[in-house]
Amino acid sequence: EAQVTQNPRYLITVTGKKLTVTCSQNMNHEYMSWYRQDPGLGLRQIYYSMNVEVTDKGDVPEGYKVSRKEKRNFPLILESPSPNQTSLYFCASSLWGSSTDTQYFGPGTRLTVL
Amino acid sequence: DAKTTQPPSMDCAEGRAANLPCNHSTISGNEYVYWYRQIHSQGPQYIIHGLKNNETNEMASLIITEDRKSSTLILPHATLRDTAVYYCIVRDPYNQGGKLIFGQGTELSVKP
Repeated sequence: EAQVTQNPRYLITVTGKKLTVTCSQNMNHEYMSWYRQDPGLGLRQIYYSMNVEVTDKGDVPEGYKVSRKEKRNFPLILESPSPNQTSLYFCASSLWGSSTDTQYFGPGTRLTVL
Repeated sequence: DAKTTQPPSMDCAEGRAANLPCNHSTISGNEYVYWYRQIHSQGPQYIIHGLKNNETNEMASLIITEDRKSSTLILPHATLRDTAVYYCIVRDPYNQGGKLIFGQGTELSVKP
């Protein structure tokens, strides 16, 4: 089954404790992206990747890092999480990232930073 | 990217057609109209997209006006599982980063 998976689905952590949220897709997509969703602010793009070893900032990249060492995986790294990073995170992928591509979303990771 | 305007909420009776409107009066000629939905904090789900012509798939139909300034998503026989927030998104082909810009969407409640 074609899908985007994220782990963990739920995470409660404390300020400053490094964490990684994994994202994997099995559709051989070139493009992957991370969004965060907050009440009243909608979904906002954090980082995206057009291909292996090619990543770029989205609208809200501060406090986050990403890597794209292989096509199927696009982990989101929070080196020193803070409470304002408490949010619902979604990973997405599409074939090329163009406006005619359909983006497929993962199930989400709900992160709470205390 | 062109902005979209949707009603914040709508109700629909189960089994009836749900018609969700979207205004995108500043859309340009090469921008696509996409519809996604999000069921209770799950990942957004793609529904349908179009450029000029009406489109239909197994989930829904998309009607785009001739001037392309508005569109309507039609769920022909709404079920309780169609209760969700529906997002109308206009995509700029020259958008750097391929991002989807989600507005506030329409919260559709399908009632028995």
